[in-house]
Amino acid sequence: DADVTQTPRNRITKTGKRIMLECSQTKGHDRMYWYRQDPGLGLQLIYYSFDVKDINKGEISDGYSVSRQAQAKFSLSLESAIPNQTALYFCATSDIGGYSNQPQHFGDGTRLSIL
Amino acid sequence: AQKITQTQPGMFVQEKEAVTLDCTYDTSDPSYGLFWYKQPSSGEMIFLIYQGSYDQQNATEGRYSLNFQKARKSANLVISASQLGDSAMYFCAMREFGMDSSYKLIFGSGTRLLVRP
Repeated sequence: DADVTQTPRNRITKTGKRIMLECSQTKGHDRMYWYRQDPGLGLQLIYYSFDVKDINKGEISDGYSVSRQAQAKFSLSLESAIPNQTALYFCATSDIGGYSNQPQHFGDGTRLSIL
Repeated sequence: AQKITQTQPGMFVQEKEAVTLDCTYDTSDPSYGLFWYKQPSSGEMIFLIYQGSYDQQNATEGRYSLNFQKARKSANLVISASQLGDSAMYFCAMREFGMDSSYKLIFGSGTRLLVRP
C-alpha cells in the first residue's frame, strides 16, 4: 500500500461545484502539504500544516481551503471550482525536525479538470 | 525573483551516455537543502537525491550525482549511463531552514529529458 494516498486520482467536474480532494498517510509524519502543478510547470504550494491545530497558507491559497482532520488526514477543498483551477494536485508529507535531509514524500496526484 | 532556475526546458540524450541537468538557486539562508525529483509521464513525484548546504562532498545515489558548486549557487544533476526509463520531467527544489521552520519546498519549472535509443 502507498504511504501517501490521494483520492480521487482523477476528477472531472463543472464550474461552480464544490470539490474535496483527500489525502491520507501512513508514514506518521506531522507535516503535510498540498501543491498544485499546472501543465509544463513546477509545483506551487497551496497550504501546509504542521499538525492538526496548525494550518498555514502557501503561495496560491486563494480559492482553496483545507482541513486537517487527524495527523494522518489532510483534505483540500475548492469551494466553487473555476476552470483555471484545472491542474494536477499533489499531497506531500515530511517529518518534523531540524536540519533534515529527509525529502517530502508525495502521493500519486489527483488530476482535476473543471469544465 | 526566481529562487530556483532551471534553464533547460527540454533536453535529449543518447542511451548509455551521461547528461547534466542544470539548476541554480538563490537564497540568503546559510542553511538549506537541495532536492531533485523525477516525474515520469504517469505523474508521480519520485525523490532522487539530496544535497545539504553544509555537506562537504557531492551527493551520489546510484547513477545520479549532484554537482554542487556553492559559490556559484548551482546544483546540477548528473545522470550517468542514461536509460530509456530516464525519460521524464526533472525538478530541482530547495528547502530553506529559515526562522519559520516550515520546510517548504520551492520548485523550479523543470527540465524534460528524452532518452533516445
